[in-house]
Amino acid sequence: QQQVKQSPQSLIVQKGGISIINCAYENTAFDYFPWYQQFPGKGPALLIAIRPDVSEKKEGRFTISFNKSAKQFSLHIMDSQPGDSATYFCAASGHNFNKFYFGSGTKLNVKP
Amino acid sequence: NAGVMQNPRHLVRRRGQEARLRCSPMKGHSHVYWYRQLPEEGLKFMVYLQKENIIDESGMPKERFSAEFPKEGPSILRIQQVVRGDSAAYFCASSFQGYEQYFGPGTRLTVT
Repeated sequence: QQQVKQSPQSLIVQKGGISIINCAYENTAFDYFPWYQQFPGKGPALLIAIRPDVSEKKEGRFTISFNKSAKQFSLHIMDSQPGDSATYFCAASGHNFNKFYFGSGTKLNVKP
Repeated sequence: NAGVMQNPRHLVRRRGQEARLRCSPMKGHSHVYWYRQLPEEGLKFMVYLQKENIIDESGMPKERFSAEFPKEGPSILRIQQVVRGDSAAYFCASSFQGYEQYFGPGTRLTVT
């Protein structure tokens, strides 16, 4: 079964708007939650990651919100730019980092 | 400071041939992960290796697929007797301590 569920599948946002991508997980043993950005023909690049001991982490225009009780986490992209147009993946791993589970991806299109 | 390198970038094989995919991790990284990505889908974990050891291969098909990470040289993902369903992008990622993964550009395998 899918360990990490990601939504929406695709997202269109106007330049300057906020992009929000959501992920949910079931396994309470997960304790590391990264987000990756992937451009066509390229490998994923680590954007930002969070551990469950904090509820929010911000790096520049990117923010992760984490809700441990709901087993959900989300990526917010503030002031979205056309250059942010890419596919975004959430992922989760346990404390030993032996295995990472990825969401199915969200294709973001930021309109100029 | 080179990133993760993968070669070849594109590989075409006929059904029944062998495919060898190579991954050179970032300098100082001793953890390597292999993933498979089908078009418009997320990444599926295949195997996690440390130098000379397979740590977790629970995502690898039981037959035809093998992986190694020798003491010297790149990590190799080997697919014997390829079938059309093996056509995908294969990504490796390397890590220093296991959690921050850095991905290579991928190898696109096409089986004809």
